[in-house]
Amino acid sequence: NAGVTQTPKFQVLKTGQSMTLQCAQDMNHNSMYWYRQDPGMGLRLIYYSASEGTTDKGEVPNGYNVSRLNKREFSLRLESAAPSQTSVYFCASSDTEAFFGQGTRLTVV
Amino acid sequence: GENVEQHPSTLSVQEGDSAVIKCTYSDSASNYFPWYKQELGKRPQLIIDIRSNVGEKKDQRIAVTLNKTAKHFSLHITETQPEDSAVYFCAGYITGNQFYFGTGTSLTVIP
Repeated sequence: NAGVTQTPKFQVLKTGQSMTLQCAQDMNHNSMYWYRQDPGMGLRLIYYSASEGTTDKGEVPNGYNVSRLNKREFSLRLESAAPSQTSVYFCASSDTEAFFGQGTRLTVV
Repeated sequence: GENVEQHPSTLSVQEGDSAVIKCTYSDSASNYFPWYKQELGKRPQLIIDIRSNVGEKKDQRIAVTLNKTAKHFSLHITETQPEDSAVYFCAGYITGNQFYFGTGTSLTVIP
């Protein structure tokens, strides 16, 4: 049972480049989330998906897009990366208890 | 929407002492309150949770209390050990909605 699998673990981008962070869960959860974590600011919600086929903005959605490809997978896309998007990104899934992926450390230079 | 506030932001205790972290929430629709521990460079992991129909829950050295009237809940760690050093997050959850996390408490247990 892998839980929540998130790729890649590390990424360096140049300003203006695009990339997609992948997330998959094998717990048959309905809800999936993308958070970013910055020092002193806790976990801030970017987007979430309460069920397959639905997505909603969280606290900090600007500069990001998401796709709930199916019940298992929820991807996060940065179309034109900016230095302000340097952060650690966590994917999570839940029915009640939330389970987190191992995180992606993204640096935009 | 819901707003979860967490205090203190940093906490240092001597090994063997108790640590208490407090959170308040604003939306009475919140009905599930988990606590997560995040060690340096790791993912947050659930350590204890409480539902709105329960006032207190214990699991060995950790306990959580919930006061629905006052809209606050607290994490209590007794007999602290160096391995308890980590960042702790509280959260409020509304069924079918999302988790609202506090900003975290960095706990340091001094040997």
